[in-house]
Amino acid sequence: DTEVTQTPKHLVMGMTNKKSLKCEQHMGHRAMYWYKQKAKKPPELMFVYSYEKLSINESVPSRFSPECPNSSLLNLHLHALQPEDSALYLCASSPIWGSHGYTFGSGTRLTVV
Amino acid sequence: TQLLEQSPQFLSIQEGENLTVYCNSSSVFSSLQWYRQEPGEGPVLLVTVVTGGEVKKLKRLTFQFGDARKDSSLHITAAQPGDTGLYLCPSGSGGSNYKLTFGKGTLLTVNP
Repeated sequence: DTEVTQTPKHLVMGMTNKKSLKCEQHMGHRAMYWYKQKAKKPPELMFVYSYEKLSINESVPSRFSPECPNSSLLNLHLHALQPEDSALYLCASSPIWGSHGYTFGSGTRLTVV
Repeated sequence: TQLLEQSPQFLSIQEGENLTVYCNSSSVFSSLQWYRQEPGEGPVLLVTVVTGGEVKKLKRLTFQFGDARKDSSLHITAAQPGDTGLYLCPSGSGGSNYKLTFGKGTLLTVNP
């Protein structure tokens, strides 16, 4: 298995909703990442997890809450989002933190209404 | 902070044409990767180059790493509509707080 699987593929949520994005990989990678990508912009790093521990938080608002329950799973819990949070959320993994060559998932297209 | 520039930012060509896109950095890359991102999908790793002067080929794509490891080029021969996408060469920095950071990329459109 050489993939990073993200679910759901599309999500529409209201500003008062709570939802979660899920990311899964079975390549034995010990580093996992969340990126946010707005239309016509490059991906921007949000969080880095290394060996299931949060290693980098790029000053992301607390309405985004990451969780790494085990080495294969990465979640992003969403609460009280704003319309400007609408974007493509990408999960990626790499063998270890700092290794070159990330495997990205296809992303979750999030729309906040 | 490593400054990364990709050029051109936008490129629209006809099927069958050749093209080259560039990635330039203000400082030395320890290694350099090229990704392609198709609309609505995540970036896909195309190649990693490590050694200055290195050339790698992937079918119609030729990647070159500059001798000084501060620049790279991607040449596509006989472009096809399937080559359409955003081409990215991110930079890695931060030492023990390693971050892979993407520049604006080159948005390539190959028209049939």
